[in-house]
This record gives sequence, structure tokens and C-alpha cells, in this order.
Amino acid sequence: DAKTTQPTSMDCAEGRAANLPCNHSTISGNEYVYWYRQIHSQGPQYIIHGLKNNETNEMASLIITEDRKSSTLILPHATLRDTAVYYCIVRVSGNTGKLIFGQGTTLQVKP
Amino acid sequence: GAGVSQTPSNKVTEKGKYVELRCDPISGHTALYWYRQSLGQGPEFLIYFQGTGAADDSGLPNDRFFAVRPEGSVSTLKIQRTERGDSAVYLCASSLSPATNTEAFFGQGTRLTVV
Repeated sequence: DAKTTQPTSMDCAEGRAANLPCNHSTISGNEYVYWYRQIHSQGPQYIIHGLKNNETNEMASLIITEDRKSSTLILPHATLRDTAVYYCIVRVSGNTGKLIFGQGTTLQVKP
Repeated sequence: GAGVSQTPSNKVTEKGKYVELRCDPISGHTALYWYRQSLGQGPEFLIYFQGTGAADDSGLPNDRFFAVRPEGSVSTLKIQRTERGDSAVYLCASSLSPATNTEAFFGQGTRLTVV
């Protein structure tokens, strides 16, 4: 079962920051939080991942709470092309490293 | 460099037929994953390969589904006696290793339609 919960959908105005929340209260100490997004008819695209420190790359920032029970993905300046389903995933520790997807958040960026 | 490549991109087959779906992972990636995605759902894990061996096949729905990776690179997902319920997008992903701090990259998927 997925170890994360996310809102079903969110809207964001173009040019504004999009903040996507995720709860992962049962995360284990060595499990990473991953974010992927999926644009219609494409395969999931890797965005960012982190363990406990905040992370930033050219696509987004990831803020993880100190207790690691929740995180927020931030798209600093959302564009129409950021409209997609965003998945927050806790990557399973152990031998497989498999990703267990939930339902994700459908982000609609509006002009 | 090339990403994960899946062929064919679309496959239509008749109920009861056999199909093979191919995945070419990123060169050097030892971990390979197959997923299945039904309309409106998140991807569902099927099987994981580490090198040539299937280390976790707990997601395969039944014995009609089988996958191989004989040389530790290309993988083939095989479905026997296809049923209409097998219609979905089949996704492949590869990762440098299964370690939890290495990202996995997905292909564009094969859309399978069973008529």
C-alpha cells in the first residue's frame, strides 16, 4: 500500500508558486521521499527526492518537516506546462527500492 | 544520452492472444521495474529485476504474466491468453541501483488494448 496521502486536486495561477503537500507519517528512518509527475499520456517524470534536508534543483524545491512526517513540493513559478498529476512516494527500503504510487494530486495551472 | 525506451508504443491484440512488450533501460542501470497503469489510476508495481534475476515479482497479477531479462539489460514482459482486463499502459523504469537514494527513470510506456 502507498505510504503517502495527498489532496486529490489543486489549482494554481500561472506565474505563482505551487505548493503541493504530502503526508507520510509512517515513513522509516532510511526511506527517501520522491516526487514524480505525469503529464497526460507520458511516463512519470522524476522531479526531486530527499531524506531529511530540504532539497532544490532546477525544477523544484522539496521541504521536509523536521519529524519527516510530511513534505511540500514547491514549483516556484508555475507555468501552464506544469499541469500534471504529481505523485509523492516513499521509496521502499530493503532490497528492491520499488516505488509504490498512490493516486497523486492533479495540479491545474490556470492562466 | 538515451532514456528508457519501450516498444511498441501501442499494441492492439485480440482476446486470447500472446503479446510481448519490450523495455530497453538506460545503459548501466542494473535495476529494472515494470508497472501497469489503468485509466485514472497511479502506476501499479508488477516486477523488479536486479541484473538478470527477478528479485521481486509480487505484483504480477497471475501466472499469465511473465517477464525476463536474460542478459541483464533488455527486458521483455510477456502476457499469455490476453484478456480485456489486461488493457492498460505498461511502464518500464530503470535505476542505477535499487538503493533508496537513486532516482528511477520511466519510459513512455506501451499502451496495450485487448479487443
